[in-house]
Amino acid sequence: EPEVTQTPSHQVTQMGQEVILRCVPISNHLYFYWYRQILGQKVEFLVSFYNNEISEKSEIFDDQFSVERPDGSNFTLKIRSTKLEDSAMYFCATAFETQYFGPGTRLLVL
Amino acid sequence: GENVEQHPSTLSVQEGDSAVIKCTYSDSASNYFPWYKQELGKRPQLIIDIRSNVGEKKDQRIAVTLNKTAKHFSLHITETQPEDSAVYFCAASTPNNAGNMLTFGGGTRLMVKP
Repeated sequence: EPEVTQTPSHQVTQMGQEVILRCVPISNHLYFYWYRQILGQKVEFLVSFYNNEISEKSEIFDDQFSVERPDGSNFTLKIRSTKLEDSAMYFCATAFETQYFGPGTRLLVL
Repeated sequence: GENVEQHPSTLSVQEGDSAVIKCTYSDSASNYFPWYKQELGKRPQLIIDIRSNVGEKKDQRIAVTLNKTAKHFSLHITETQPEDSAVYFCAASTPNNAGNMLTFGGGTRLMVKP
């Protein structure tokens, strides 16, 4: 059964550094999402992406965040200048109709 | 925007007993309600979902009910097993033109005691 994959599984970075999180969607999926989950808390929506543009974003998704699908395959989330409070698990999800989640990237900002 | 409340936050049952988790939502336009199971350190995995054109859906030991009038939906797990122990999240989705963002409830930590 195809699955959403994400890299890296873990990332440790210094505050102020840029990070790029990568996601490979299931091949026939048209909708792409990023969510985050701070340790012990609920999953929170960040952004949705369809037809090569952002379709919705939450208040969390400020100017420090960006998404793109550079090669028609990978779907990336970039955080330009990381803050301590960006430490969380970041999940990519992709959908044709139902959303399927990737395994997540655990980001730790020191 | 949509707000989803989930109760209880923790639930402990004996193996073989039933477990019920309840969620309420605020946006009457929401029409899709999935349930995800998340084991420690793992991804949320879809276990069952329901759309607003049906009131109940069942898949083996798992069932979901939806009351659109009251804006609440529930997950029912019968004959619980230790491997059902996990955090369960409900979610609601409001239709838009390009995919449905999910608004999650706060999660229920289910512990099934052998």
